[in-house]
Amino acid sequence: AQKVTQAQTEISVVEKEDVTLDCVYETRDTTYYLFWYKQPPSGELVFLIRRNSFDEQNEISGRYSWNFQKSTSSFNFTITASQVVDSAVYFCALSGHYGGSQGNLIFGKGTKLSVKP
Amino acid sequence: DGGITQSPKYLFRKEGQNVTLSCEQNLNHDAMYWYRQDPGQGLRLIYYSQIVNDFQKGDIAEGYSVSREKKESFPLTVTSAQKNPTAFYLCASSIDRTYGTGELFFGEGSRLTVL
Repeated sequence: AQKVTQAQTEISVVEKEDVTLDCVYETRDTTYYLFWYKQPPSGELVFLIRRNSFDEQNEISGRYSWNFQKSTSSFNFTITASQVVDSAVYFCALSGHYGGSQGNLIFGKGTKLSVKP
Repeated sequence: DGGITQSPKYLFRKEGQNVTLSCEQNLNHDAMYWYRQDPGQGLRLIYYSQIVNDFQKGDIAEGYSVSREKKESFPLTVTSAQKNPTAFYLCASSIDRTYGTGELFFGEGSRLTVL
């Protein structure tokens, strides 16, 4: 079965600190996608990144970086020099295919990040 | 601006009443989705539609119904058969028709409270 675990329920940091949000996944699929979404207080989820299972290169986008390690089934998200605007709930999600063309998307329970000035 | 519009933002319902949540998109996306979010939980899929006049049940479809008569519209009805309807409901769309492969675009959600 597919599963996504975000063990950190809430994290609180002070502005300019670096923070890493953990995501551990379980799947039997060899082909799958991993995602991160941000949910600010306004409610809508905002797409941050998609990574397929064959691409283990780490990615950096401004202050955001992602570390994908298949050996540990992890897809961690780091925010460098955090800012108050980074305060949100962050969701990790996993999709795969169960023998057919339809995928399935499983979300973790989310990590609430609070960045204090 | 292109995006997804959900209405109403807040809705109160008495037990035993059906209620319909609206979702409209002007992104010209084929696929649309309804999710339910409960406090401290991830999102769970209720229904999705890959094309007009077609839709599929998700993980928690019982007590809900949908229609897809137009590409831009995917309303969700929460029926009286839904045992615990109080939740935050999110509508989404995607360019990719195959669920789970592409970026999802979300609306700002509708918060339903049953009194």
